[in-house]
Amino acid sequence: GAVVSQHPSWVICKSGTSVKIECRSLDFQATTMFWYRQFPKQSLMLMATSNEGSKATYEQGVEKDKFLINHASLTLSTLTVTSAHPEDSSFYICSATTQRHTEAFFGQGTRLTVV
Amino acid sequence: AQSVTQPDIHITVSEGASLELRCNYSYGATPYLFWYVQSPGQGLQLLLKYFSGDTLVQGIKGFEAEFKRSQSSFNLRKPSVHWSDAAEYFCAVGAKAAGNKLTFGGGTRVLVKP
Repeated sequence: GAVVSQHPSWVICKSGTSVKIECRSLDFQATTMFWYRQFPKQSLMLMATSNEGSKATYEQGVEKDKFLINHASLTLSTLTVTSAHPEDSSFYICSATTQRHTEAFFGQGTRLTVV
Repeated sequence: AQSVTQPDIHITVSEGASLELRCNYSYGATPYLFWYVQSPGQGLQLLLKYFSGDTLVQGIKGFEAEFKRSQSSFNLRKPSVHWSDAAEYFCAVGAKAAGNKLTFGGGTRVLVKP
C-alpha cells in the first residue's frame, strides 16, 4: 500500500518551453502532496505544499509563477515548470500523505534537463 | 523551525567494516525521524523511521538507528557494510503537526572500499 507514482521519470526540454510533471497516489487519496527539488550532489529542498482543492503554499524563494502546482483531485498533483531554463535542470520529487498517515510516501522522482 | 545536520559529507569504509552515520536534529516538539538512501540517479528508499516507543529502531538491509533525545541525535548504524551500500544517505525530520512535511539533512555519501 501507499504507492506514489511520478511521471515522467526523465524529460528533456528546450529552453523557453514548459514541462509538466505528474504525481499520483495509486492506492490512497492524498489530501496533501509535497514537491521537492534536488540539485546535483545536494540535498532535497521543499518547494511547495499542495492541499487538494486549494492553492499551493510555496517555500520562501520559490517562484510560484514559474512553478505552477495544481492539486485538483485526491490522487493527482501536477508541477508545471514554465518557461524552463537550464538552471531549472534538477531532480524533482513528490511525496503524498493523508491525515491518517504518520509519514509521506515518495514518488520515484523526475529528472528534468533543459537544453 | 525544524532542521537537520549531518556532520559528515563523505565517509569511506572498507567492505565488512561497521558504519555509523551521524544525524542531529532540531525540533520543538516530538519529532518523527527518518533515514533514506539514494543510489545515483535514483529516488529515495526508506531505510527506517522512528515515531515513538523503543528508541532503537531496526530497518531494512541490516540497518538500525538509535534515537537519543538528550543528544538530539538519530544515528544510523550497520555492523558490516556491503559494496552495495555505497550510496547517499539522508536523515530527515518531520512531524504530524507539520502535516508530515520533511526537512532533510545535507546527506552523507558513503564510499565502500573492497
